Amino acid sequence: NAGVTQTPKFRVLKTGQSMTLLCAQDMNHEYMYWYRQDPGMGLRLIHYSVGEGTTAKGEVPDGYNVSRLKKQNFLLGLESAAPSQTSVYFCASSYGELFFGEGSRLTVL
Amino acid sequence: TQLLEQSPQFLSIQEGENLTVYCNSSSVFSSLQWYRQEPGEGPVLLVTVVTGGEVKKLKRLTFQFGDARKDSSLHITAAQPGDTGLYLCAGRYSGGYQKVTFGTGTKLQVIP
Repeated sequence: NAGVTQTPKFRVLKTGQSMTLLCAQDMNHEYMYWYRQDPGMGLRLIHYSVGEGTTAKGEVPDGYNVSRLKKQNFLLGLESAAPSQTSVYFCASSYGELFFGEGSRLTVL
Repeated sequence: TQLLEQSPQFLSIQEGENLTVYCNSSSVFSSLQWYRQEPGEGPVLLVTVVTGGEVKKLKRLTFQFGDARKDSSLHITAAQPGDTGLYLCAGRYSGGYQKVTFGTGTKLQVIP
């Protein structure tokens, strides 16, 4: 079973560029989440979704947008990347327990 | 913004020692989970606690949920090098079940 798959795993951007991170889950979970992890700061919730077509803001949503057009996919977009968005991004899906992807390491120069 | 504070932030101990990690909030949890994360991987669930005062054991790990459901602890007995990792608590708050907030994390190193 693939579980939760994130693409890409690594990306380097220049300030002002845009990009989209894709999260795909094959467990038919309703809930999906995007977190960012910075050194010494645990995981911070960016946006989450409780079902297809619905999204909600988390703790640190500024500078990010999300879409959940299909139940199995949750996309995280950066319209104009900033160095402060350099981080490791984790996607998770859940029915109770959170299942995480392997992370996407993003560097913004 | 609901905050989940963990302490200590870092812990380096010798193999065989015992340790306790704490997770605290000013708000009441509807449920709380503990996860363990290894470098380069996503967190993996260890346990879920739901009832105030609940105690769960997982081999050498003991998890306790506070009576008021505002705090939790993780106790490891006779730590082993394989216990090394980042330990994270994660809470669902009453009235916001879908939103899962993670603690600041405790980085544990067990030295052989």
